[in-house]
Amino acid sequence: GAVVSQHPSRVICKSGTSVKIECRSLDFQATTMFWYRQFPKQSLMLMATSNEGSKATYEQGVEKDKFLINHASLTLSTLTVTSAHPEDSSFYICSARVPGTSTDTQYFGPGTRLTVL
Amino acid sequence: AQKVTQAQTEISVVEKEDVTLDCVYETRDTTYYLFWYKQPPSGELVFLIRRNSFDEQNEISGRYSWNFQKSTSSFNFTITASQVVDSAVYFCALRGSYNTDKLIFGTGTRLQVFP
Repeated sequence: GAVVSQHPSRVICKSGTSVKIECRSLDFQATTMFWYRQFPKQSLMLMATSNEGSKATYEQGVEKDKFLINHASLTLSTLTVTSAHPEDSSFYICSARVPGTSTDTQYFGPGTRLTVL
Repeated sequence: AQKVTQAQTEISVVEKEDVTLDCVYETRDTTYYLFWYKQPPSGELVFLIRRNSFDEQNEISGRYSWNFQKSTSSFNFTITASQVVDSAVYFCALRGSYNTDKLIFGTGTRLQVFP
């Protein structure tokens, strides 16, 4: 149980284009999902918390107009990198918290590697 | 402020050796949760363990064991008889009070197990 998927796993795009990344909870409903960014050989940095049916909460320093997050259903959250630039190239990982548990454990997706040319 | 420190950037061992990954945390919360995740080369983070601040009992799961010491704010992870498949980056993480979902990650320790 507690499987989280991401699509695509890898994407290469041209500078100036927008890229959408999907995060799905496959065997549970997630009212809360999280988006992280990881630079090579570095730790994970939380970008935003995605809440189903409401606006995402962004961490300080993360541009909400550049990283659009939509959590339209209990099993799907999307991250859209708008007008991508080479500095947006990174590994993006989503996670979802299993509801109804006191563990507050987040289960992570396999990640999406974005390369902006 | 909350912080997780993994001082060991990279560790190399030969198969069957035991290895301990250190994790030191800082928090002012009286209730908090500590986690260990494994990130193999494929990139996916695999949940290994969660520990509550009020439960200092050490835990063993197969070749994995965890030593939680509140007195030294440490939550160390030991792999016994390491195997090549254990090669990965291991992250320690902290979650504070009930009012936040935020996981604070350490910088990770890259473990390489050679045959």
